[in-house]
Amino acid sequence: AQTVTQSQPEMSVQEAETVTLSCTYDTSESNYYLFWYKQPPSRQMILVIRQEAYKQQNATENRFSVNFQKAAKSFSLKISDSQLGDTAMYFCALGVDSNYQLIWGAGTKLIIKP
Amino acid sequence: NAGVTQTPKFQVLKTGQSMTLQCAQDMNHEYMSWYRQDPGMGLRLIHYSVGAGITDQGEVPNGYNVSRSTTEDFPLRLLSAAPSQTSVYFCASSRRTSGRNEQFFGPGTRLTVL
Repeated sequence: AQTVTQSQPEMSVQEAETVTLSCTYDTSESNYYLFWYKQPPSRQMILVIRQEAYKQQNATENRFSVNFQKAAKSFSLKISDSQLGDTAMYFCALGVDSNYQLIWGAGTKLIIKP
Repeated sequence: NAGVTQTPKFQVLKTGQSMTLQCAQDMNHEYMSWYRQDPGMGLRLIHYSVGAGITDQGEVPNGYNVSRSTTEDFPLRLLSAAPSQTSVYFCASSRRTSGRNEQFFGPGTRLTVL
């Protein structure tokens, strides 16, 4: 069975600081995919970044990057130069080729303070 | 291109009432799913569909029915509403029936059962 764990229920940082959100996962699949989704107060779920397990290079999207540690089964999200608009719930999710479903973490509430 | 649409955005029901949450997508996605989101529990899969005429149960299917008569539409029916079904409901779709692909979400329906 696949599991995803986000151990930080809530975090807050000052605007312009760097923040790292943690995610650990477990799967016996050899090929899998990891996602970070953002849910701002509007409730709309938005994909932030995606990592394919077979790729060694960490994915980056502008101010968002991941630290993918395959052996440790860790997939953290780093947000650089944080902005007020980054305030949101962030969900980590795991997908595998053999299953249609994504497995979701419980989420981390991130608050960016001015 | 509207993406994934959901109606209504808000709904209040009395215990025992029935209703249908509507979901439609215009991206010709094969895979569609319904989640419920409760505080501290992330997203839990209710039902999903891998194509017209094919549906299956997710993690928390009790009290809900689905059907998929067309590729575009995937309604969720609450048979006899209970207070435990108070939640935010999301419909999502993705391009193929695999965990590798980004899921696109509707704006959600906030349901309160009194």
